[in-house]
Amino acid sequence: QKEVEQDPGPLSVPEGAIVSLNCTYSNSAFQYFMWYRQYSRKGPELLMYTYSSGNKEDGRFTAQVDKSSKYISLFIRDSQPSDSATYLCAMSPDSNYQLIWGAGTKLIIKP
Amino acid sequence: GAVVSQHPSWVICKSGTSVKIECRSLDFQATTMFWYRQFPKQSLMLMATSNEGSKATYEQGVEKDKFLINHASLTLSTLTVTSAHPEDSSFYICSAYTNEQFFGPGTRLTVL
Repeated sequence: QKEVEQDPGPLSVPEGAIVSLNCTYSNSAFQYFMWYRQYSRKGPELLMYTYSSGNKEDGRFTAQVDKSSKYISLFIRDSQPSDSATYLCAMSPDSNYQLIWGAGTKLIIKP
Repeated sequence: GAVVSQHPSWVICKSGTSVKIECRSLDFQATTMFWYRQFPKQSLMLMATSNEGSKATYEQGVEKDKFLINHASLTLSTLTVTSAHPEDSSFYICSAYTNEQFFGPGTRLTVL
């Protein structure tokens, strides 16, 4: 079993829809949770960074962490075609120094 | 924000040759840089952790004699793929760490 599980998709939704992306993990020591966005043939860029449980909102993006269920989510409201990319979750027990990565979910927003 | 560059962005080489990839932090100093490899439709796989002035720490299964890493300064790390073969064709990404990892744009290596 992988430490971090993420459905690779692709996930295709119409423009304007609410998107839900998820990861599950097995290591209860993880405290730091990140979501990265990666456009094709580019390096990942950090979208959201959450410590421990709870919610964090930044514009159209909301990150949720449920440590009791070992489950994290990224919600995108009012999705745009420019949101089409691969979204990778990453987590770590001790800051974001060494990260354990999910497989990445390819998201397609249809105009 | 912190910017990390990689050079070259794309390289094609013949089997058996060596290729050097540079990773630079442009506006900050990074004591640690990470090297990843990413195959199509797969996630990032950490290859090695590089600390300035010391030997790199390689992940299990990564051949240190094949993937030579040099981190001679706080703004530059290099990855040399020695005696490259077609199976080494991949997307190589570096990141530089200063409170968080900042990623370079990646280098696409194609070995013929």
